[in-house]
Amino acid sequence: NAGVTQTPKFQVLKTGQSMTLQCAQDMNHNSMYWYRQDPGMGLRLIYYSASEGTTDKGEVPNGYNVSRLNKREFSLRLESAAPSQTSVYFCASRGQGADSYNEQFFGPGTRLTVL
Amino acid sequence: GDSVTQMEGPVTLSEEAFLTINCTYTATGYPSLFWYVQYPGEGLQLLLKATKADDKGSNKGFEATYRKETTSFHLEKGSVQVSDSAVYFCALSLGAQKLVFGQGTRLTINP
Repeated sequence: NAGVTQTPKFQVLKTGQSMTLQCAQDMNHNSMYWYRQDPGMGLRLIYYSASEGTTDKGEVPNGYNVSRLNKREFSLRLESAAPSQTSVYFCASRGQGADSYNEQFFGPGTRLTVL
Repeated sequence: GDSVTQMEGPVTLSEEAFLTINCTYTATGYPSLFWYVQYPGEGLQLLLKATKADDKGSNKGFEATYRKETTSFHLEKGSVQVSDSAVYFCALSLGAQKLVFGQGTRLTINP
């Protein structure tokens, strides 16, 4: 049981390049999330998916797109990277049911630098 | 809107010292409250949680009590270890989908 996995772990892009961050979970969770972490700002929600086939904007969605490929996988795409998107990106998933108390499980993160 | 405020870091303590990291929140309803911990180079892990007023969450020697009257959820540990060095995040959840995080507090424990 790997939990939440993310690829790649590190990435360097030039301004204007595109890339997709991959996330997968093996816990049969319905909900998945993408966050970015910046110094002094905690984690901010970019997009989330409450269930397969649905996606919704979070706090900071501009410049990003997402795809919920199936129940396991939720990808984040940067179409034209900008230096302001330099950050650490975390994927998370959430269990369901009354006992979950909205606990989210996090992947190890992707450190992205945009030059 | 809903928000979480944590004490400013970084916090540096000696081993076996007493730890308090303050956390207060603003929310329109009755949130669930969480402390997450992030060890160097890793993702966030749930440390403890509390889902209603006066609940005490505890794990690995850490404790936090949900205080509705002061809208607080302060993290405490009686005797810290070097292995507790990490970044600690307080968070709240009101609805089914979203966590709202504080800015994080970096804790360093010196031997």
